[in-house]
Amino acid sequence: NAGVTQTPKFRVLKTGQSMTLLCAQDMNHEYMYWYRQDPGMGLRLIHYSVGEGTTAKGEVPDGYNVSRLKKQNFLLGLESAAPSQTSVYFCATGTINEQFFGPGTRLTVL
Amino acid sequence: GENVEQHPSTLSVQEGDSAVIKCTYSDSASNYFPWYKQELGKGPQLIIDIRSNVGEKKDQRIAVTLNKTAKHFSLHITETQPEDSAVYFCAAYPRDSNYQLIWGAGTKLIIKP
Repeated sequence: NAGVTQTPKFRVLKTGQSMTLLCAQDMNHEYMYWYRQDPGMGLRLIHYSVGEGTTAKGEVPDGYNVSRLKKQNFLLGLESAAPSQTSVYFCATGTINEQFFGPGTRLTVL
Repeated sequence: GENVEQHPSTLSVQEGDSAVIKCTYSDSASNYFPWYKQELGKGPQLIIDIRSNVGEKKDQRIAVTLNKTAKHFSLHITETQPEDSAVYFCAAYPRDSNYQLIWGAGTKLIIKP
């Protein structure tokens, strides 16, 4: 079992470009999460999903959109990238009692 | 809303010594407190957790203590080893948080040989 995988691992964007980060899990969990990790700020929740077809806003949702068309996939979109979105993005699945994280995507916006 | 503060931001200890990382929280209704370990280039991984009805929990060289009155909880690592070098995150789960953990800023633990 792969657990939680993220695509791509690295990406460099120019300001204003768009992109989609893909998260896939084979653990059959209902809940999925997207976090961003910035130095000195820990993990901040962007959006989350409690099941297929549902999404909800987290702590820092502005500038991001998500979709959960299939239970195993959770997509994070940046419509018009800004330098403030330079970060490491982590997808996770599981429950509050234990979250399983992917390896992360390092995104740089120039 | 809930706020979690974590100290120190960096901790350097000699191999074999103990390490202690402390977190404070603001919402007295929080009832679940996990600790995650993040190794370089990887996502965080749960190492131990504690619920509000328990004062201490141990798992081999790792222990967590909770003081509900003072609203703080701590991670204790004894007999530190090189593989303990990592970033450690604490988190809190407020009762009305809607599936959201509130995370501390992280502590980089360095084990000196």
